[in-house]
This record gives sequence, C-alpha cells and structure tokens, in this order.
Amino acid sequence: GAGVSQTPSNKVTEKGKYVELRCDPISGHTALYWYRQSLGQGPEFLIYFQGTGAADDSGLPNDRFFAVRPEGSVSTLKIQRTERGDSAVYLCASSSPPDTQYFGPGTRLTVL
Amino acid sequence: DQQVKQNSPSLSVQEGRISILNCDYTNSMFDYFLWYKKYPAEGPTFLISISSIKDKNEDGRFTVFLNKSAKHLSLHIVPSQPGDSAVYFCAASVIPGANSKLTFGKGITLSVRP
Repeated sequence: GAGVSQTPSNKVTEKGKYVELRCDPISGHTALYWYRQSLGQGPEFLIYFQGTGAADDSGLPNDRFFAVRPEGSVSTLKIQRTERGDSAVYLCASSSPPDTQYFGPGTRLTVL
Repeated sequence: DQQVKQNSPSLSVQEGRISILNCDYTNSMFDYFLWYKKYPAEGPTFLISISSIKDKNEDGRFTVFLNKSAKHLSLHIVPSQPGDSAVYFCAASVIPGANSKLTFGKGITLSVRP
C-alpha cells in the first residue's frame, strides 16, 4: 500500500518568509509525528498528533512553529518568519498504535 | 544533552562478516528501543525493536541485544551484505511500544565492502 508522503520534497525560501510543509499519512493511521533532522544529527521530535489533537508538542522549538491536523489525516507544519537555523530535513511519520512509526521521505527546507 | 548516544560515526566491514553497531543511553526511563536504517534521500525505515523486559530480539539476519544495567544496546547483522550499507539510527521511547515520541542517536554510517 501507499506509504507516508510529504510535499514538497524540497523547499527553498528566504529568511523571514512563511512556509507550509504537508504530510499525508498512511491511510487509517491515527497517530502522526513530525521530526526535524539537521545535518549530522538524528531526527529530533517536534510534535505528535493522536487523531486531530496534538498529544505532545513539547519538541516545537518556539512559537514560530505550528502544526495542524484538522481532520485527523493530513497534517501541515507551518513555520513563520523563517530563520537560516530552520534549514533541515523535516520528517513526518505515522503509526497505528501500538505499531511502529513509518516515516516519509522528508521535506528538505533551505532558508537563504 | 544527548540521551541516546552512538559514539562511533562510521563502521566498515567485509561482506559476509558480522557488523556490530553500538548504542548507549542515559535516560533510565526509556522502556522501548528501536533501530532504523536510512538510505540517502529516503526516510528512516524500521528494522527491529526490543522491549526493556527482554535482552534479545532476533529477526532474520538482525539481532538486537539490550543490557539494561549498562544502558547499552547493540545491533548485530550477520552475514553483512553490500545492500546493508546505510546510516543506522538507534532510538528510544519512554512509553512501551511506538506510541510516543522517539529520541534518536546521531546515527552510524555502515559500509559493507564486497
């Protein structure tokens, strides 16, 4: 079946701009996770949704970052006033608990 | 502060031999451990996991060993194949199962020489 998909695959933006990153989870998966992977590091947790609600947003670095999942399926990660330090690969994963998390290919964000 | 540590950034082994990838953790609340494999331009792919109530879990060529007293786990791949060349991430969660945030190490780049 179809895996987790993420769009766009690459996004280049200028410092100070607003970006939206989209994640389409595996059909039927109730849990959805966002992670960020910087160069030379492992994925770092950002936020976890169970259904439509954010069950854990402790990893969001500051209030410029926000994520939604209004219908319990597709999720959008929104970053306001982007900074060069936001450049990273943003990974989305989904799961049907207690099953493992399945990751998408990621969106590579570059802030110039 | 890195709660999951993969201190060796790379490992090179001969095809057919055993690959041993190590991982250490500091948070005693971690209860569930996983290994993911990642190829360039792809997302991490789940390999194998182990609960803290076990000390070994085996799946084909892959075996994970857990030493809770030492806060150490290792992934053994035998025999190693060239297609195993990838970055391997160790991950851990506080809540049993995968239904919670994962804390990852920095990864180990494995190269299997033909």
